[in-house]
Amino acid sequence: DAGVTQSPTHLIKTRGQHVTLRCSPISGHKSVSWYQQVLGQGPQFIFQYYEKEERGRGNFPDRFSARQFPNYSSELNVNALLLGDSALYLCASSLVMEGGRDGYTFGSGTRLTVV
Amino acid sequence: GQQVMQIPQYQHVQEGEDFTTYCNSSTTLSNIQWYKQRPGGHPVFLIQLVKSGEVKKQKRLTFQFGEAKKNSSLHITATQTTDVGTYFCAGPRTGRRALTFGSGTRLQVQP
Repeated sequence: DAGVTQSPTHLIKTRGQHVTLRCSPISGHKSVSWYQQVLGQGPQFIFQYYEKEERGRGNFPDRFSARQFPNYSSELNVNALLLGDSALYLCASSLVMEGGRDGYTFGSGTRLTVV
Repeated sequence: GQQVMQIPQYQHVQEGEDFTTYCNSSTTLSNIQWYKQRPGGHPVFLIQLVKSGEVKKQKRLTFQFGEAKKNSSLHITATQTTDVGTYFCAGPRTGRRALTFGSGTRLQVQP
């Protein structure tokens, strides 16, 4: 079985541009969460989706948006990129929203650099 | 808002020494999870603790959940170079089900 797949793996964008990051969860997992990880810090919660509905949103500006598709894959969109958006963006899938006894399975992430 | 803090931020040990990281939450947690992130990698789930005072072992790793369910610890006995990485604790966000991650403890093991 494939794990959590994220694309692209690396991305360089210019300030003000828009970016779309993609995630395919483990087959059978209906919960997808997005996290931002700045170098040297823990992952910061951005969004959580379960059964195609938004179930949680972190402290991020409205420039960040996401959605989950009928096949449970997900997209994270960031508009009007700032230098401070440079980070590793992680997607995590799970059977239940809080992870449960199997926890979250993370993808390898998308390394976004804004110049 | 909810905060999850870990200490120490960084620990450098000689191979064979023990290592402990501590996790403290500002709120009571329904459960706590631990993850390991190797340098350049992504977080990998280690374990979930649910019950007050629970202790679980995985080979050389011992995990504890505090009686008040606000703190937790991870102890590694006789560290090996394969233990290198950052260890994060994480608990469900207040009133939500997504996880709040701690600040992490970076472990360096000298051979």
